[in-house]
Parts: sequence; structure tokens; C-alpha cells
Amino acid sequence: EMQVLESGGGLVQPGESLRLSCGASGFTFSSYAMSWVRQAPGKALEWVSGIIYSGGNTYHADSVKGRFTVSRDNSKNTLYLQMNSLRAEDTAAYYCARHSGAYYKYYVMDVWGQGTTVTVSS
Amino acid sequence: DIEMTQSPSSLSASVGDRVTIACRASQGIGNYLAWYQQKPGRVPNLLIYAASTLQSGVPSRFSGGGSGTDFTLTIDSLQPEDVATYYCQKYNSAPLTFGGGTKVEIK
Repeated sequence: EMQVLESGGGLVQPGESLRLSCGASGFTFSSYAMSWVRQAPGKALEWVSGIIYSGGNTYHADSVKGRFTVSRDNSKNTLYLQMNSLRAEDTAAYYCARHSGAYYKYYVMDVWGQGTTVTVSS
Repeated sequence: DIEMTQSPSSLSASVGDRVTIACRASQGIGNYLAWYQQKPGRVPNLLIYAASTLQSGVPSRFSGGGSGTDFTLTIDSLQPEDVATYYCQKYNSAPLTFGGGTKVEIK
């Protein structure tokens, strides 16, 4: 069964850092693009970051550009999101999702994790 | 960036009703449009991709249509288990923007 599982969420203070991880199983991780999608409480889904199959190309939403960095380790079947300079507005459930192909554009997100919650508060 | 606008933002319908949700892109996106269903307290689930292709395992009462800038998601006979928020998303280019969501309830 294809699965992705997020970890690393928690409560942090504004300005602090956090690294989320997403472990994949049941498919050839290195063949697929991956993304992070977040959802603030009671709000809509927001695409945060995407990374192609090789890790050679990434994209970050304007709301996180310069603060968040997506990366992957294909030898460990793991996706990461390094989040620096966290703000209250980054409080959300963060989902890891697999795209149905090698690139984050042209391919939909067809496998989603259960999410990990990040709370930024003093 | 291309904006995705859904309407209505919420609706209430009876079991067995036909329900249609609209999604409009501010620029043409071809057929690179997906629909996701998110039931209360649950993870988003892919329903439709390429504007009209049903994801495996999705009931046939769901259908999608449109291309370019205007798209629709139709539920042919609304069931109690369809209570959820539905999101459209474009995926032709980054950023992969979601619509604001449509909350579907049973009357």
C-alpha cells in the first residue's frame, strides 16, 4: 500500500525553526515529485512547496519563500520541510503529498499523509 | 499568478439532489484541473483529475467538466457520505493554487 507519513510538528515560538519529515513507503519514492500542503484551522488548502523527483527543482509559495526550504533524500525515501523564522500565520496542519508523476506541475497529488500540526505561539 | 475562484462557498441540498460546484481560473489552464474532497476532520482525497477523469475508486455519481477557465464538479445524486468541503486546484504551472472551497451539507 502506498503511504506517506509526516512527523516533526509541534508548538514553537515565533521566530523559531522546525523541520518536518515525510517518510514514504509502497512506491518508488525517487520516481515521483512531492509537495507540502498546509491548512490553517478552518481555512482552505494552501500549496506550500513542491520538489521534482530528483530534487533538482523546487518551488515555494510567496508566503514562505526565503523562510521554508523543501528537500528530499531519495536514499532514505524521505521528504523534508525546513521551516525557519516561523510566524503565527504559519500555524496549520501540514500535509505531505505525492504527485502522480515526476514533476509537481502536470501531475496531481494522489497520495496524502495524515498531516502533522504546527502551532506557532508565544 | 493565476487565481482559482469557486462558487458557491457553501450549499445545502437534499439527499438525491443533483449538485453542481463551479471553479473559474483567472487565466486558461487547459484541462489541468483537479477536484479534491475533504470530509470533516479528514485528509483531502483526490476525486477527479484532468478536469473530467475519475480517480480509481471514486463513485460514478461524481463527474467533472470544463476546460480553459471554467470547470464544474457535479454530484448526480447527493448522498449523506458526500458531506464535505470540495476544492479545485490547478496544476499546469506553479504555484499549484487551490480554490477557496465549497462546503456541501445535507438539508
